[in-house]
Amino acid sequence: ILNVEQSPQSLHVQEGDSTNFTCSFPSSNFYALHWYRWETAKSPEALFVMTLNGDEKKKGRISATLNTKEGYSYLYIKGSQPEDSATYLCARETSGSRLTFGEGTQLTVNP
Amino acid sequence: GAVVSQHPSWVICKSGTSVKIECRSLDFQATTMFWYRQFPKQSLMLMATSNEGSKATYEQGVEKDKFLINHASLTLSTLTVTSAHPEDSSFYICSAQAGSGRETQYFGPGTRLLVL
Repeated sequence: ILNVEQSPQSLHVQEGDSTNFTCSFPSSNFYALHWYRWETAKSPEALFVMTLNGDEKKKGRISATLNTKEGYSYLYIKGSQPEDSATYLCARETSGSRLTFGEGTQLTVNP
Repeated sequence: GAVVSQHPSWVICKSGTSVKIECRSLDFQATTMFWYRQFPKQSLMLMATSNEGSKATYEQGVEKDKFLINHASLTLSTLTVTSAHPEDSSFYICSAQAGSGRETQYFGPGTRLLVL
């Protein structure tokens, strides 16, 4: 993996479904991984900053895990709600706090 | 807390004119601010990093004479697109960070620039 890759590109789920998506990144020289939630016409909202291999962080119904050795992070949403509809971005942080973003996963939760 | 504003939210200008975009951290002091741009169907791309009172550090391929960045205070950074051309039409978004390294960057809502 040379860049930050996110999959799937888009996802449609029904209200109440749990879902997850993946962020893959170069595993060498790992520094930190950021997750953001971005609703149209709003500022990206910071979800997590993950730094340690095996990290698991939780915010309400959203949680994330990190595997720095194999270079991936999962974001989970439990019991999706329509208000969870947004684009979820991950970004790899390198020295100087520089962020390299993936293209995002666009989540649509249907009522 | 941790709100970042950006102004204007959208701007249309004629080719050859300059456009200034402001980024403000409203409730915290930002030691570092970052400028990104996003072309359609692409990811956010870092353009430059600026620290208060210092010259900005530009990413490879970003022309520093075209994209002037000023970070005059701990709450304000500006990006000026000089002699804008249609290919500069893009979505420009800033972020601000209070600390350094492994800290959250708080983003503004972005500025949509259209150069005619």
